[in-house]
Amino acid sequence: DTGVSQDPRHKITKRGQNVTFRCDPISEHNRLYWYRQTLGQGPEFLTYFQNEAQLEKSRLLSDRFSAERPKGSFSTLEIQRTEQGDSAMYLCASSSLGTSGGQQETQYFGPGTRLLVL
Amino acid sequence: GDSVTQMEGPVTLSEEAFLTINCTYTATGYPSLFWYVQYPGEGLQLLLKATKADDKGSNKGFEATYRKETTSFHLEKGSVQVSDSAVYFCALSEGAQKLVFGQGTRLTINP
Repeated sequence: DTGVSQDPRHKITKRGQNVTFRCDPISEHNRLYWYRQTLGQGPEFLTYFQNEAQLEKSRLLSDRFSAERPKGSFSTLEIQRTEQGDSAMYLCASSSLGTSGGQQETQYFGPGTRLLVL
Repeated sequence: GDSVTQMEGPVTLSEEAFLTINCTYTATGYPSLFWYVQYPGEGLQLLLKATKADDKGSNKGFEATYRKETTSFHLEKGSVQVSDSAVYFCALSEGAQKLVFGQGTRLTINP
């Protein structure tokens, strides 16, 4: 169990460019979450997948944002036409939903990708 | 919607002091409650959790009790160490889904 990994760890881009982040969850975890954290604030939920299905998207996720998890393993988060307000830490977490319905699983977080839009 | 309110920081204590970080929540149902910790340069780590009223979560000397009547989940430690310096986040989750976090409390422990 190597933990959740994210790539890249840091990204600097110019306003208007597209960026893509990758998250590799803990193997065999069926749920994968994306959060965004701005300086001095707690993480805010963006979206999550159960296997390859995207089950919920936050209103924070504008149409410039798209997330995929094509094979139910790794996930990508793409931001198109970046804006300075997109500068933040993007966090990925994974969990394994219990077989007994309603069991609260623990989310394990990756180190995050810090994005700076100039 | 659901929300979490944490004691504002930063908090600075001397080593071996008693720590309390307050956390209250608003939820429509019966959430599970969590404390996560973020050490400098590292990702979020689960510190402890409680899934129902009156449950006490504990880990590494930290404790928090799920108080439904006061909608609170305060974090306590009897004797803090320099190595406890970090940012602490209270969070809730309903229905085994997304986490809703508080704004975080930065804790600094001086030797």
